[in-house]
Amino acid sequence: GAGVSQSPSNKVTEKGKDVELRCDPISGHTALYWYRQSLGQGLEFLIYFQGNSAPDKSGLPSDRFSAERTGGSVSTLTIQRTQQEDSAVYLCASSLVEGFHYGYTFGSGTRLTVV
Amino acid sequence: AQSVTQLGSHVSVSEGALVLLRCNYSSSVPPYLFWYVQYPNQGLQLLLKYTTGATLVKGINGFEAEFKKSETSFHLTKPSAHMSDAAEYFCAVSTGTASKLTFGTGTRLQVTL
Repeated sequence: GAGVSQSPSNKVTEKGKDVELRCDPISGHTALYWYRQSLGQGLEFLIYFQGNSAPDKSGLPSDRFSAERTGGSVSTLTIQRTQQEDSAVYLCASSLVEGFHYGYTFGSGTRLTVV
Repeated sequence: AQSVTQLGSHVSVSEGALVLLRCNYSSSVPPYLFWYVQYPNQGLQLLLKYTTGATLVKGINGFEAEFKKSETSFHLTKPSAHMSDAAEYFCAVSTGTASKLTFGTGTRLQVTL
């Protein structure tokens, strides 16, 4: 597609439920990144994919968080047993090749609210 | 490890005035530096980046930034603010040994008449 697409744009869930967030990167972009944006916390790196593999998942905050990417395209971030501190905007970005210096294209994000 | 400090979480300027958003970084190796802008309910858009070469970098919408190694700074400037510049601005750094960017906490720019 023309841009990075994320769905849903907003998600309200009850504490303890599982959620799945989807990212559809720009066609042909091999690298995909997930970030979390919390109020007053800036942007926090979660995980990076090159193709379908994740060479850097150091930012995942706990084992409740997992992500996968299939077909070198769509990625899903799953949060199990959601907690209130998981409330944030989850941003996905993709780039043409591995490497920051080409610049990332960000999606509009999924705003997750855990009640 | 790398880090970014953005001085001033909120900056207010009058329309037509100089915009100066401050960014200082910490990096043990030569950094790659970026400024992103985020409009309400939108993703981040790259304004400009410094990788190598000329230390004065020009970006979109009339913004520019200068990499000053001696001051470990990468401040963002625009000579004349426009109402449409009101947004949140993020400075980010990468060392090149990993693909992730480390972001500052952002500066919200308000432009008043």
